[in-house]
Amino acid sequence: GESVGLHLPTLSVQEGDNSIINCAYSNSASDYFIWYKQESGKGPQFIIDIRSNMDKRQGQRVTVLLNKTVKHLSLQIAATQPGDSAVYFCAERGYQKVTFGTGTKLQVIP
Amino acid sequence: DVKVTQSSRYLVKRTGEKVFLECVQDMDHENMFWYRQDPGLGLRLIYFSYDVKMKEKGDIPEGYSVSREKKERFSLILESASTNQTSMYLCASSSYQNGVGNEKLFFGSGTQLSVL
Repeated sequence: GESVGLHLPTLSVQEGDNSIINCAYSNSASDYFIWYKQESGKGPQFIIDIRSNMDKRQGQRVTVLLNKTVKHLSLQIAATQPGDSAVYFCAERGYQKVTFGTGTKLQVIP
Repeated sequence: DVKVTQSSRYLVKRTGEKVFLECVQDMDHENMFWYRQDPGLGLRLIYFSYDVKMKEKGDIPEGYSVSREKKERFSLILESASTNQTSMYLCASSSYQNGVGNEKLFFGSGTQLSVL
């Protein structure tokens, strides 16, 4: 029969507050990590990336933190806006391919 | 502006039909990918291609095949569609090879396939 997906984790944040989206990755050999944002009805779009030789990288209103010891990645969004409402995916690049996490839905409360 | 175009936004097919999903990119990228997206399961890689006429299996290739006759076009084929292939299908491309190029994936808007 038709496959049924799992429940998508949801983070609700007040407009203007900071958001933190977390991601655990699996492959200790992964050398490159990316965050993507997917708005309703669209394909994922690149937000920010970080290489394994770094532990922090900042963009415009976004910061990615990488903790290789515990294989953890986080995306911080400053002063969250309604336009930030979307599903966010972390991704890791291992040998030959990019593997995506299951995604977190960010809901911004006006 | 970079563009990855998927031929259909919505598609409804019957069980057992042969289904073609088409993807075209205008960025002269070497790499093309097909993912399926299901709620709570993220994006799972079906097949990818690093060159014309070349293909590699991803994590869930069963029930699918692909064709890449031209650099800009990558087709996903469901030989005999089944209801568990109802999903959102996303095509992506990138230029990264052998440590050179842009590692970012550029995605199309997706094709929502329903198999009845």
